[in-house]
Amino acid sequence: DAKTTQPTSMDCAEGRAANLPCNHSTISGNEYVYWYRQIHSQGPQYIIHGLKNNETNEMASLIITEDRKSSTLILPHATLRDTAVYYCIAVKPGRRALTFGSGTRLQVQP
Amino acid sequence: DAGVIQSPRHEVTEMGQEVTLRCKPISGHNSLFWYRQTMMRGLELLIYFNNNVPIDDSGMPEDRFSAKMPNASFSTLKIQPSEPRDSAVYFCASSQPTPSGTDTQYFGPGTRLTVL
Repeated sequence: DAKTTQPTSMDCAEGRAANLPCNHSTISGNEYVYWYRQIHSQGPQYIIHGLKNNETNEMASLIITEDRKSSTLILPHATLRDTAVYYCIAVKPGRRALTFGSGTRLQVQP
Repeated sequence: DAGVIQSPRHEVTEMGQEVTLRCKPISGHNSLFWYRQTMMRGLELLIYFNNNVPIDDSGMPEDRFSAKMPNASFSTLKIQPSEPRDSAVYFCASSQPTPSGTDTQYFGPGTRLTVL
């Protein structure tokens, strides 16, 4: 799986959009970009994933650049409950295990 | 849906004792994963099962660790004998492959293990 690089930490004001970047410059053509988050003392939680096209669900939007070397997870209206560590993971089809990096610690400020 | 269920939620034991962690995956999921999380090493995969068969146990630290999945609704992770360095949060996750061939994994709440 391709290596991903994320900022160590970010702050966001409550009610504003949180934009979390991820660099995956060595991603291969068939690798998906997955996002999970881990709220303190809980298990990781799936957020969203995509291959080439931008994706949106009830939790977030995922914007993948045309060259697929980077992506951005967008939480449109961050709340205090969105404070968590966010993990960006490149996953090959058929590769069942997830390799978690250090992630981005997002702190939503009141 | 109750989600992935793990028990116990907390376990405190003394060095040398046997520890058994339990996991009930989401009904209908055919893959089950055991992860361990520590401050030093982060989240790391220990072992995963597909259709109750162990597929990759390369993350299991040593022979003191063993995992079983006797049926589709139950798995155990056993540590015998336990050591203080085994102190960590152990997560179980289950999944069902998507049409794309990738997984969306659903994690349990974890078991916090402390070995004194």
